[in-house]
Amino acid sequence: EAGVTQFPSHSVIEKGQTVTLRCDPISGHDNLYWYRRVMGKEIKFLLHFVKESKQDESGMPNNRFLAERTGGTYSTLKVQPAELEDSGVYFCASSPTIRDALYNEQFFGPGTRLTVL
Amino acid sequence: GEDVEQSLFLSVREGDSSVINCTYTDSSSTYLYWYKQEPGAGLQLLTYIFSNMDMKQDQRLTVLLNKKDKHLSLRIADTQTGDSAIYFCAESLPGGYNKLIFGAGTRLAVHP
Repeated sequence: EAGVTQFPSHSVIEKGQTVTLRCDPISGHDNLYWYRRVMGKEIKFLLHFVKESKQDESGMPNNRFLAERTGGTYSTLKVQPAELEDSGVYFCASSPTIRDALYNEQFFGPGTRLTVL
Repeated sequence: GEDVEQSLFLSVREGDSSVINCTYTDSSSTYLYWYKQEPGAGLQLLTYIFSNMDMKQDQRLTVLLNKKDKHLSLRIADTQTGDSAIYFCAESLPGGYNKLIFGAGTRLAVHP
C-alpha cells in the first residue's frame, strides 16, 4: 500500500511569490492533516480535513494560506504571497475514519521543505 | 493551554540505554505518542500509550507515563546506530478529531 506522498520535496522561492504544495493521502483515508515545522521548533498543526470539508483550521497562520481538498482526495496548500517566516517543513498526514482508528494513528508524508528568500 | 516540551539533544554510546523525556501541560490528553523521524523521511509512529496506562513495553521500547507530573518518557534498550533520529513526543486531546500537539523533537545521536 502506498504511503502519504507530498510534492515537491523541496521548494525555493522568493518573498512575494506563490507556492502550492500537494499531498496525496493514503487511499481511503477520510482525514487529512497539514502540519508545519519551523526552524527546528515544534511541529504545529495547521488544519484538518474530513473528506472535502475543513473540520478544523484553527492553526492556519493567516489568510495568505489557502488549503483545499477537492473531491476529498488529494489536498493542496497554497501560500500567496510567501513571506520569509513561512520557511519550514510542511508535513501532511492522513488517518482512517474515526470509527476505524483505534488510536488515531496519523500516517505522515516525508514533508515539503519550503525556503523563502 | 497546550504545550509539549522535550530536551533537544541526547548522545549515547551504542549498546547503552537511551531515555528521552517529555512533559505536557494538558491533563485531558487521551493518547500520547512517540514518533521517529529519520533523515529525509516522514514521521513514523514508534509507539503510543493510552492516558489511563502507566507503562507500555514493546520489544526494546518502554514508555512510562506519569499523569500526576504530566511526564512521558521513552526508553530504548540496547541502542543501535539505526536508532539515530529525531524523536517527537505528541499528545492528542479529546474531541473526536484528534489533532496532534507535538514537542520540538529530541535528536538522538548514537556513537560507537
